[in-house]
Amino acid sequence: AQKVTQAQTEISVVEKEDVTLDCVYETRDTTYYLFWYKQPPSGELVFLIRRNSFDEQNEISGRYSWNFQKSTSSFNFTITASQVVDSAVYFCALSGDLRDDKIIFGKGTRLHILP
Amino acid sequence: DTGVSQDPRHKITKRGQNVTFRCDPISEHNRLYWYRQTLGQGPEFLTYFQNEAQLEKSRLLSDRFSAERPKGSFSTLEIQRTEQGDSAMYLCASSLKENEQFFGPGTRLTVL
Repeated sequence: AQKVTQAQTEISVVEKEDVTLDCVYETRDTTYYLFWYKQPPSGELVFLIRRNSFDEQNEISGRYSWNFQKSTSSFNFTITASQVVDSAVYFCALSGDLRDDKIIFGKGTRLHILP
Repeated sequence: DTGVSQDPRHKITKRGQNVTFRCDPISEHNRLYWYRQTLGQGPEFLTYFQNEAQLEKSRLLSDRFSAERPKGSFSTLEIQRTEQGDSAMYLCASSLKENEQFFGPGTRLTVL
């Protein structure tokens, strides 16, 4: 069975601090995809990144970076120099191979960036 | 706007009433998905269409729920005899390629 665990329910940091959101996943598939989505108060899911299981290179996009470690089944997300606009709920998610690409979401981490 | 659209954005209904939601996918996207998100939880998969064929249904989709995609374009999700537990955000997503879903803004349902 596939499962995504986001152990941090809620995090608060002061603006300009760095913050890391943890994500641990379980899957039996050899090919799978990992995602991060942002959900601001408006409720819309905003796609941030997709990573396939064969690509373990870390990725950086502006203030965002992602650390994929297959050995520990983790796909952590770091925001550097956080800003108030980063306040949102962040979801880590997983989908399987090509025949079954429904997305399994974690429960989310609510991030508060305090001014 | 060429993204996924959903209508209505908000729906308030009384327990026992039927409701129907509509999702218009991105043009030419052959796959369409429905998810449900309850308060404080991540979205959960409900069902999935490839063109007009409904290929998978979650156990979450009780007999009171039915989804259609009659012409392989827009889709509807109907809930009959709504219950308070049906209150949630209903999200639609579409894709052309595997593992690349684009989500709509959702329909927020409140059952009184």
